[in-house]
Amino acid sequence: DADVTQTPRNRITKTGKRIMLECSQTKGHDRMYWYRQDPGLGLRLIYYSFDVKDINKGEISDGYSVSRQAQAKFSLSLESAIPNQTALYFCATSDLQAGQETQYFGPGTRLLVL
Amino acid sequence: GQQLNQSPQSMFIQEGEDVSMNCTSSSIFNTWLWYKQDPGEGPVLLIALYKAGELTSNGRLTAQFGITRKDSFLNISASIPSDVGIYFCAGPNNAGNNRKLIWGLGTSLAVNP
Repeated sequence: DADVTQTPRNRITKTGKRIMLECSQTKGHDRMYWYRQDPGLGLRLIYYSFDVKDINKGEISDGYSVSRQAQAKFSLSLESAIPNQTALYFCATSDLQAGQETQYFGPGTRLLVL
Repeated sequence: GQQLNQSPQSMFIQEGEDVSMNCTSSSIFNTWLWYKQDPGEGPVLLIALYKAGELTSNGRLTAQFGITRKDSFLNISASIPSDVGIYFCAGPNNAGNNRKLIWGLGTSLAVNP
């Protein structure tokens, strides 16, 4: 079984709709992240959470919100989707081991906003 | 802020060729990470470097942590078709107490069988 799962894997929605992307992990990590990937722009951080009570904005948080429902769950919401939010979205988890950190990624959610 | 510049942006090579790509920064990094993203998947860690001058191998992959701590190199020897994908360098943001990762834009590799 995958350690980091994302649902749905693909989603088509219309402008103005509210949608939620879900992420679950079985790695027991405290830290979770949401990224979006666009061609030629690499991975850009949307939001991150270092524990259940901690939520932080990343570099491109406008138009998005998140909820850390439990250590294992971190969901990303688009309150009113717009076409330029069409992208590939990745959830990731990490923990610190001996001061070093490795991020583990989910398989991604491909979102198309019409 | 800290930024990572990867080059080349893309490569198209013949199977069996060696590949070299690099990542540079104007500021010092204490850790360099190399990830690979297979088509349709999330990135996966290939190699982590923690000390200036460190040279680490993982099969046909070799990565080096530059002495200046401002660059890192990834080499792939005898490329095969499954090496296709996007290779990212990353390093922890050393500013403040929040250790987010800074990501390069990636090197896209295509291998012609």
